[in-house]
Amino acid sequence: EVQLVESGGGLVQPGGSLRLSCAASGFTFSSYWMSWVRQAPGKGLEWVANIKQDGSEKYYVDSVKGRFTISRDNAKNSLYLQMNSLRAEDTAVYYCARDLQAVAGIYFDYWGQGTLVTVSS
Amino acid sequence: SYELTQPPSVSVSPGQTARITCSGDALPKKYAYWYQQKSGQAPVLVIYEDSKRPSGIPERFSGSSSGTMATLTISGAQVEDEADYYCYSTDSSGSRVFGGGTKLTVL
Repeated sequence: EVQLVESGGGLVQPGGSLRLSCAASGFTFSSYWMSWVRQAPGKGLEWVANIKQDGSEKYYVDSVKGRFTISRDNAKNSLYLQMNSLRAEDTAVYYCARDLQAVAGIYFDYWGQGTLVTVSS
Repeated sequence: SYELTQPPSVSVSPGQTARITCSGDALPKKYAYWYQQKSGQAPVLVIYEDSKRPSGIPERFSGSSSGTMATLTISGAQVEDEADYYCYSTDSSGSRVFGGGTKLTVL
């Protein structure tokens, strides 16, 4: 059974930093792209970043470029999101998602339960 | 930037057919995907590649796409289907986009 478990969320002041983690199990983690997707309170879903199987390619939504860094440790079956210079608008539930890049299309087939990040003074 | 447009809400009575639409200029060339999100829970994939259903998803969920519009159909909607539904796709450059979401009420 595929499982994705996020951790590391919490309350942080504007300008602060936070590191999110996602522990994966039930599949060969090193064989898949992985993504972070967020959802602001009462709002819709927004893709944030993704990373290739070996970490050699990383992509970000424009609003987080230069502030967030996605990384992974395949030996630990773990995905990370380092978030710096946090802003109030970064407040959201952050989901870890398996990123399926099939010939037919690109989508997320499994999601974690999410971890809440609140940026407030 | 690319946008997918969904109606904010759809309401049906139990047993009726619910249809949720998603419009986007790239849909003639790109697949649509649908996610169900119940209150306080993570999204769950219910339709992929326009019309395919993942294992474990009830047969009452189906999808279709024609031109610039994709449609999620729930035949014989049940109370437990009440949720937010999001369409998702990519544009020609590979940018990933979610629709704004549709709140389905079954009562």
